[in-house]
Amino acid sequence: AQSVSQHNHHVILSEAASLELGCNYSYGGTVNLFWYVQYPGQHLQLLLKYFSGDPLVKGIKGFEAEFIKSKFSFNLRKPSVQWSDTAEYFCAVNTNAGKSTFGDGTTLTVKP
Amino acid sequence: DTGVSQNPRHKITKRGQNVTFRCDPISEHNRLYWYRQTLGQGPEFLTYFQNEAQLEKSRLLSDRFSAERPKGSFSTLEIQRTEQGDSAMYLCASITPGAYNEQFFGPGTRLTVL
Repeated sequence: AQSVSQHNHHVILSEAASLELGCNYSYGGTVNLFWYVQYPGQHLQLLLKYFSGDPLVKGIKGFEAEFIKSKFSFNLRKPSVQWSDTAEYFCAVNTNAGKSTFGDGTTLTVKP
Repeated sequence: DTGVSQNPRHKITKRGQNVTFRCDPISEHNRLYWYRQTLGQGPEFLTYFQNEAQLEKSRLLSDRFSAERPKGSFSTLEIQRTEQGDSAMYLCASITPGAYNEQFFGPGTRLTVL
C-alpha cells in the first residue's frame, strides 16, 4: 500500500522568506504526484502535478516542486512567500486506479 | 459553474440519525471518488465509482456507510446511525481516466454529529 509522509506539521515564516516543504512517498510502482493547497474555509486546489518528464515542475502562484525518484521525494518550494500563502498544503500520490493517498498536511503561517 | 458540487455544505445531526450527501461531478468525468477528512489529517480514500460501478471500497467504509451512483452521474453517500466519530469533512472528486488521474475536488460536506 502506498503512503505519504510530510515532515513538517506547522511552518511559520516571515514574508519574503523561502519555503521548502518535504514530502516522501512509499510505493514501488509508477506514481503521479501532486501538491494541493487548502486556504481557510476553501476547498482543495491543485498547486502542481508531476506525471513524467522534467522532474522540476512549476505550478501556480510561483510554487515549484522537484521529483527525486531515488529518494522517493517530491518537495515543494517557493523562493519568497507572501502573507496570502498562509494555508494548509497537502502532498498526494495516486496510481492507476486514480485514488489518491494524502499526507497529513503542513500548515503554513506567513507573518506579514 | 462547471466544477464538482456537493450538497449540503454543512450538516448537523444527532447521534443515531441517518444522513445523505450528494456529489455532482464534472459532467464528462466517469470516475468519482469519495474521501473523508478529519481535523489535522489529510483526506482518506473511502470509495470510488467508474460510471455506475463501485470498484473499490476502503476498510474505513463500515457497514453503516453506503454509496451509490445509479446512473453514472451524481453520487450519494449515506451514513446510517451516525456516531460522533463520523464528524468530518466528506469530499468528492472526479476525473476522466487518461488525464493523468488529476482529480478535481468539490467543496466538501462538513458533518457534525452531536
